[in-house]
Amino acid sequence: DTGVSQNPRHKITKRGQNVTFRCDPISEHNRLYWYRQTLGQGPEFLTYFQNEAQLEKSRLLSDRFSAERPKGSFSTLEIQRTEQGDSAMYLCASREDGVNTEAFFGQGTRLTVV
Amino acid sequence: GDSVTQMEGPVTLSEEAFLTINCTYTATGYPSLFWYVQYPGEGLQLLLKATKADDKGSNKGFEATYRKETTSFHLEKGSVQVSDSAVYFCALSDPTGGGNKLTFGTGTQLKVEL
Repeated sequence: DTGVSQNPRHKITKRGQNVTFRCDPISEHNRLYWYRQTLGQGPEFLTYFQNEAQLEKSRLLSDRFSAERPKGSFSTLEIQRTEQGDSAMYLCASREDGVNTEAFFGQGTRLTVV
Repeated sequence: GDSVTQMEGPVTLSEEAFLTINCTYTATGYPSLFWYVQYPGEGLQLLLKATKADDKGSNKGFEATYRKETTSFHLEKGSVQVSDSAVYFCALSDPTGGGNKLTFGTGTQLKVEL
């Protein structure tokens, strides 16, 4: 296993377009997280899956954002009608069940909305 | 809600100098504490962690002690190397929330020069 994989690594889109990102977690990890990181800031939590169930969503996740993990394996994050304020690095992390298990992060997808 | 405050950067040190990066936290529960590191062009990696008061996390010469009385988790290293140049993030996870999502500080960039 090569770790958490995110695609694409970079995405440039025009304002108003829809974009979709993919995350492939480490195969035995049940928990999957999405975070957003803007320049000069730490990552901010967006949403969390336990297997295929989306158990928590941040207030940062507006109605234009939707995330899925249909078979409890890979996950997608879609942003509809993108805005310039959506420009950020989108990070995915996965971990095994357990209270203090390590979260492994992907390298992220950098979104630029022009 | 939970929050993490860490010293602003960039921090510039000469090789073999002593490093301290301050981190304090606010949490409603009894969190676990982490330091993550992000090397240029790479994803976030767990550097060390501590799960209860007075625990000391250590890795690669870095150390941090969980101080409940001062709500702090300062990162230290006795002798930094050029290869330690990276961005360091302090984070907490409240296990009582169930999701174990991470709350990050804003990050501190460290530059080590010869």
